[in-house]
Amino acid sequence: AQSVTQLGSHVSVSEGALVLLRCNYSSSVPPYLFWYVQYPNQGLQLLLKYTSAATLVKGINGFEAEFKKSETSFHLTKPSAHMSDAAEYFCAVSENSGAGSYQLTFGKGTKLSVIP
Amino acid sequence: GAGVSQSPSNKVTEKGKDVELRCDPISGHTALYWYRQSLGQGLEFLIYFQGNSAPDKSGLPSDRFSAERTGGSVSTLTIQRTQQEDSAVYLCASSPPGLAGGGQYFGPGTRLTVT
Repeated sequence: AQSVTQLGSHVSVSEGALVLLRCNYSSSVPPYLFWYVQYPNQGLQLLLKYTSAATLVKGINGFEAEFKKSETSFHLTKPSAHMSDAAEYFCAVSENSGAGSYQLTFGKGTKLSVIP
Repeated sequence: GAGVSQSPSNKVTEKGKDVELRCDPISGHTALYWYRQSLGQGLEFLIYFQGNSAPDKSGLPSDRFSAERTGGSVSTLTIQRTQQEDSAVYLCASSPPGLAGGGQYFGPGTRLTVT
């Protein structure tokens, strides 16, 4: 069974500082990996995805993530935090359930605060 | 183009009543998923549709929950005899055909409160 662990339920960074949100996964097969962002009272927005092509994946809003198979990690980074980045971030893994479903298994989320 | 839409955005109901939640996926997306987001349980998968069929219902928490999809498009999630533990945000997502790793596109959710 697949699972996702996000280290740190709450991360605070100063505006302009590096953002690093950690995600580790377990999966019995090479997975598809995703990062989603959720702003208050909104749905989930896809930030970026890893689908076994390049291990360094670039997403929207300046975010990127690196797939490291040896570490089973898919950490999310952004060089310089902006106030608008304050939101909750979810890492997710997807694999075929056997019924054709590629349902997402989510981590518990990391709430990012940006301090001016 | 238009994204995934859900209605109503908020629903308050009394314990024991039935509720219906609606999802309009992105046009042409054959796969449709329902998830539930609650404080205690996080984001949980409920059910998957491919076209009008639901080959994976493994996440439905009880037989009070059911869902259907018609015309390969609109889906309705029905909760019968609602309980307080059903209070959550119900999210719908769709994905295009042939792109297993393409990611899912989420609607804004329906916040259900059972009093």
